[in-house]
Amino acid sequence: DAGVTQSPTHLIKTRGQQVTLRCSPKSGHDTVSWYQQALGQGPQFIFQYYEEEERQRGNFPDRFSGHQFPNYSSELNVNALLLGDSALYLCASSTIRGANYGYTFGSGTRLTVV
Amino acid sequence: GESVGLHLPTLSVQEGDNSIINCAYSNSASDYFIWYKQESGKGPQFIIDIRSNMDKRQGQRVTVLLNKTVKHLSLQIAATQPGDSAVYFCAGIGYNAGNMLTFGGGTRLMVKP
Repeated sequence: DAGVTQSPTHLIKTRGQQVTLRCSPKSGHDTVSWYQQALGQGPQFIFQYYEEEERQRGNFPDRFSGHQFPNYSSELNVNALLLGDSALYLCASSTIRGANYGYTFGSGTRLTVV
Repeated sequence: GESVGLHLPTLSVQEGDNSIINCAYSNSASDYFIWYKQESGKGPQFIIDIRSNMDKRQGQRVTVLLNKTVKHLSLQIAATQPGDSAVYFCAGIGYNAGNMLTFGGGTRLMVKP
């Protein structure tokens, strides 16, 4: 049973560019959440998608947007990249029907903005 | 909003000793508290969770204690092994607070052989 799959694993972009990160949730999960983890810090919640809609959003600017597809996979888009967007981006899947909304994390995409 | 934090950024222990990692939280809105282990190059891995109406829960070699009076959470690891070396995060999640995880800053556990 595959867990959460994220692609690419590493990415280098130039300031001002746009980036798209991808996530395939664990089998049986219908909810995808995205987190940003700066070096040496805990993950920060970006947003959560369920039934192809953004359900919750953290304190991130509109430059951060996402999408969920009918097969539950998801994309995170970041426009007008800033140096401060350099971080590990984590995708976590879960199911609304779960007893405690148990999250499974992917290994993340390491984004470096130069 | 809720914030979850940690007392110690780095903890170094001898192999075979017990480890205790602490976490303080400032908001009582969480329904669950969860401990995660994150190894280099990997995402957070679930270790153990505890409901907010419990004060102790045991797993295999791990125990989580919750003291709601002082808003304190701890993770105890028995007979610490080199494979336990990682960064540990506590996180809270509240059903009425958006069902997102709120993480603390992490504690790095280093196990000396």
